[in-house]
Amino acid sequence: DIQMTQSPSSLSASVGDRVTITCRASQVLGNELGWYQQKPGKAPKRLIYTASSLQSGVPSRFSGSGSGTEFTLTISSLQPEDFATYYCLQHNAYPLTFGGGTKVEIK
Amino acid sequence: EVQLVESGGGLVQPGGSLRVACAASGFTFSDHYMDWVRQAPGKGLEWVGRIKKKNNSYTTEYAASVKGRFTVSRDDSQNSLYLQMNSLKTEDTAMYYCGRVPGVYGDYSLDYWGQGILVTVSS
Repeated sequence: DIQMTQSPSSLSASVGDRVTITCRASQVLGNELGWYQQKPGKAPKRLIYTASSLQSGVPSRFSGSGSGTEFTLTISSLQPEDFATYYCLQHNAYPLTFGGGTKVEIK
Repeated sequence: EVQLVESGGGLVQPGGSLRVACAASGFTFSDHYMDWVRQAPGKGLEWVGRIKKKNNSYTTEYAASVKGRFTVSRDDSQNSLYLQMNSLKTEDTAMYYCGRVPGVYGDYSLDYWGQGILVTVSS
């Protein structure tokens, strides 16, 4: 199985900060990776697909980059509604696997 | 508007069975692969399984943790997805989400998710 190592597991940041979250894969994925945001008690919401494509309706402050084994989700200017947990998901091979999650908290 | 609505969750004893369903609307259900993902209380997301579409022979894929116990199926005439869970264990306690897979231009992650349904396995 492909292991997805997500870091950090949590971070504290202020409104307006630039935030970067990383996922490293145990095997090459190409661009077969998505990023999700989950708020407490809610279903995950997709932000990024195929590593760098912005999901329709998602603010442009969210961006994804990377290919191969290292991928990054960047929030260019953190907003109050962005405090949530973020997950990466690889879909290069079965079984699909998620990263362990990054909880973004208010500093 | 794409909508996915899960139903059928509840409390079941260890070793028991349960079937959860996902009703789809707002898109051509038969054109899409469909997935199940679960989340144990306070934990991260775990992919459970996938069913492909008719053109792909309705092939299914599973996580190792559920293979042989869970079965994903679909009824395209009813726009419905199912997850049959047998030999349930306490560690299967989780919120279960169904999700749609775009399946175009290399995009095989989940784009739309249901609100989730809670399955509790306990004596």
